[in-house]
Amino acid sequence: KAGVTQTPRYLIKTRGQQVTLSCSPISGHRSVSWYQQTPGQGLQFLFEYFSETQRNKGNFPGRFSGRQFSNSRSEMNVSTLELGDSALYLCASSLDADRGTGIQYFGAGTRLSVL
Amino acid sequence: AQSVTQLGSHVSVSEGALVLLRCNYSSSVPPYLFWYVQYPNQGLQLLLKYTTGATLVKGINGFEAEFKKSETSFHLTKPSAHMSDAAEYFCAAVDGGYQKVTFGTGTKLQVIP
Repeated sequence: KAGVTQTPRYLIKTRGQQVTLSCSPISGHRSVSWYQQTPGQGLQFLFEYFSETQRNKGNFPGRFSGRQFSNSRSEMNVSTLELGDSALYLCASSLDADRGTGIQYFGAGTRLSVL
Repeated sequence: AQSVTQLGSHVSVSEGALVLLRCNYSSSVPPYLFWYVQYPNQGLQLLLKYTTGATLVKGINGFEAEFKKSETSFHLTKPSAHMSDAAEYFCAAVDGGYQKVTFGTGTKLQVIP
């Protein structure tokens, strides 16, 4: 069974641009969560999608948005990029039965560098 | 709001020595607790989890953790460190019913040959 797949693995953008990151969950997983990992702030929860609906949201500005498609694949978008958005963005998926338990499986991440 | 504290951002142990990584959580209601490991340029891998039941939890690669409600702790241990254990370790917690996971700041484990 394939794991969580995130594309692209590396991305370089400049300030003011926007970026879209993609996440394909494990087959059968309908919950997808996104996290930002930086050396200064550690791992911070961005949002969770389940059945195409955003269920939980972290404390990030509106420049960070996401969506989920009917096949459970998810995309995350960051508009008007700032230098501080440089980070590793991790996606995690979980089974319906595990929602609410925190049990989830992570992808390898997308490393975003903003210049 | 839930918070997770990991004592020591860097820990060094000799190969074959005991590994002890400390984690404390803040919730008055015991949450679900996890330890994850992250190798360079990779995502997080679940080491072990505590949901309910037995307070001593065994995970992969010889790691285990003990949930102590009275101390609000969930420390990770391994009797004998191996070079391949060098990585960053994250303690995490989630309040039941939600999927929003709160992570500690991580502890980088160095294993000295």
